[in-house]
Amino acid sequence: DVKVTQSSRYLVKRTGEKVFLECVQDMDHENMFWYRQDPGLGLRLIYFSYDVKMKEKGDIPEGYSVSREKKERFSLILESASTNQTSMYLCASSPRSGGRFNEQFFGPGTRLTVL
Amino acid sequence: AQSVSQHNHHVILSEAASLELGCNYSYGGTVNLFWYVQYPGQHLQLLLKYFSGDPLVKGIKGFEAEFIKSKFSFNLRKPSVQWSDTAEYFCAVDTGKLIFGQGTTLQVKP
Repeated sequence: DVKVTQSSRYLVKRTGEKVFLECVQDMDHENMFWYRQDPGLGLRLIYFSYDVKMKEKGDIPEGYSVSREKKERFSLILESASTNQTSMYLCASSPRSGGRFNEQFFGPGTRLTVL
Repeated sequence: AQSVSQHNHHVILSEAASLELGCNYSYGGTVNLFWYVQYPGQHLQLLLKYFSGDPLVKGIKGFEAEFIKSKFSFNLRKPSVQWSDTAEYFCAVDTGKLIFGQGTTLQVKP
């Protein structure tokens, strides 16, 4: 079974704090993704990575950065958390497939609340 | 701009009713298409996908979807829903970037 795990299910932080969200996958997938999920907006891509140390901005990268030092681990960083970053954050991974996206495997999500 | 639209945001059905959830996209090129489902308290998981070939694809738990290229649509169907189908359903389209629809919440009454 493919497993994507996220470091926390629930997180509460204060405005201005630096926040790290960690994601680990165990299937040797090349691609990894960070989304945020908000009611009525579906999933919006923040960043994705197609290889170690490689990253590309998604649709809403502002206020976020990412790190991929090892193939299995993809971290999302909120440099200075703000209340509008309160959301559910989903990590996903997928195997590379001819340059196109393949089935993605999702983690359980981290519900982040910024006070 | 490329977009994916799910017309129904919240659907309520009784058990045994038939289901059709709409998904339309705006992109003129070749696409890969997906439906994902998120059951309460669970991970998002793949329901079915279309890459090429027969435009009618079957997925898990009796779901199917039909790709109609001329209508830019990939509607999800199930002939008879069960209470356990209560979940949120997301259509996703790969145009070279993967775009998710807004989601449809399905509530099935026993």
